[in-house]
Amino acid sequence: QQQVKQSPQSLIVQKGGISIINCAYENTAFDYFPWYQQFPGKGPALLIAIRPDVSEKKEGRFTISFNKSAKQFSLHIMDSQPGDSATYFCAASINTGRRALTFGSGTRLQVQP
Amino acid sequence: EAEVAQSPRYKITEKSQAVAFWCDPISGHATLYWYRQILGQGPELLVQFQDESVVDDSQLPKDRFSAERLKGVDSTLKIQPAELGDSAMYLCASSGTNYGYTFGSGTRLTVV
Repeated sequence: QQQVKQSPQSLIVQKGGISIINCAYENTAFDYFPWYQQFPGKGPALLIAIRPDVSEKKEGRFTISFNKSAKQFSLHIMDSQPGDSATYFCAASINTGRRALTFGSGTRLQVQP
Repeated sequence: EAEVAQSPRYKITEKSQAVAFWCDPISGHATLYWYRQILGQGPELLVQFQDESVVDDSQLPKDRFSAERLKGVDSTLKIQPAELGDSAMYLCASSGTNYGYTFGSGTRLTVV
């Protein structure tokens, strides 16, 4: 049962462009929505996270947009750089009881110089 | 910056052999998770510990997988016997009192 659906599967963006990755969730009990960045051979690293009481969160070039009514959230990477080339995962969890993260299937981002 | 330590980084084992992975979470983190990540997919939870107690092992194939966290600190995940389909990255993560989950670098298992 896939509770978090992520798209696109892969994305190619030119340097300086905007990368947009989308996720949709089913479980309305989710109350924590992080994005992770993963490089080959490494574990996922937290990039940015949002809680459902806000609609947008920005940290540097990375922005999460959150639409609670549509049960969707997205990651925007502004001014994309070749160093951003990695796999990005959205995730969701129910923080009460520190429930485990449910991950999306991942988006492989390639930023061309 | 505090890290989640995992060992070994890589493990090659033959089908039907036993294999074990070790994880040392960030000091003070009461919650520990083991995830399995198949190449090209997102991590999937195998087991969650709160201190030394199992909170969720509903996705752990208990006929061959076992996990323990005896003193509520480090943890061991074991597979016996290993099957070809167990080839994957095994990730450990821990979380403390805030919302953050920190992952280790993982153990890449290849079963031949």
